[in-house]
Amino acid sequence: QVQLVESGGGVVQPGRSLRLSCAASGFNFNIYGMHWVRHVPGKGLEWVAVAWYDGHDQYNADSVKGRFAISRDNSRSMLYLQMNSLRAEDTAVYYCVRGGPLSPFDYWGQGTLVTVSS
Amino acid sequence: EIVLTQSPATLSVSPGETATLSCRASQSVSSNLAWYQQKPGQAPRLLIYGASTRATGIPARFSGSGSGTEFTLTISSLQSEDFAVYFCQQYKNWPPLTFGPGTKVDI
Repeated sequence: QVQLVESGGGVVQPGRSLRLSCAASGFNFNIYGMHWVRHVPGKGLEWVAVAWYDGHDQYNADSVKGRFAISRDNSRSMLYLQMNSLRAEDTAVYYCVRGGPLSPFDYWGQGTLVTVSS
Repeated sequence: EIVLTQSPATLSVSPGETATLSCRASQSVSSNLAWYQQKPGQAPRLLIYGASTRATGIPARFSGSGSGTEFTLTISSLQSEDFAVYFCQQYKNWPPLTFGPGTKVDI
């Protein structure tokens, strides 16, 4: 069965960096787009970034552009999110999500909490 | 960017009743719209995609309709496990992929 397991969340000070990882299993990782979506507690969902197929095509939300970088290692079925210059407003649960172009997010990880606080 | 608005923000219903949730897009998304259910402490779960197709394992009491800019999620004969927050999402125009703000269905 499809499994997505995130790790790497925690408490970090503003301006510092954090790297999230997502281990995927149960499907052919290479043929799916992989995304990060975040949920601010008490608020809505926000799409953060996508890495398509071989990882060369990547897109970020404007709110994280220039600070976050998504990457993937297809040989290990891993997805990553390098988060730099973190701000308080980046505090959220970050989900690793599977989804292709013109298709919905069909599988979600359990999420990892990132708290940016001094 | 396509903006999605959902109404109402909160819907209070009783078990066994029908809940009707709305999602409106700022421009046409054709049928490229999905609905998700999220319970506290859990990841969202895909309910409906293509505006009206139930995802695998989703009970028939969940139904979706609409196209273009107006969409509806109907939950018939509400069960206790259906009380949650429901989000719509468009996947036609990206980046960014966008979500609505959510409708909370409570007792």
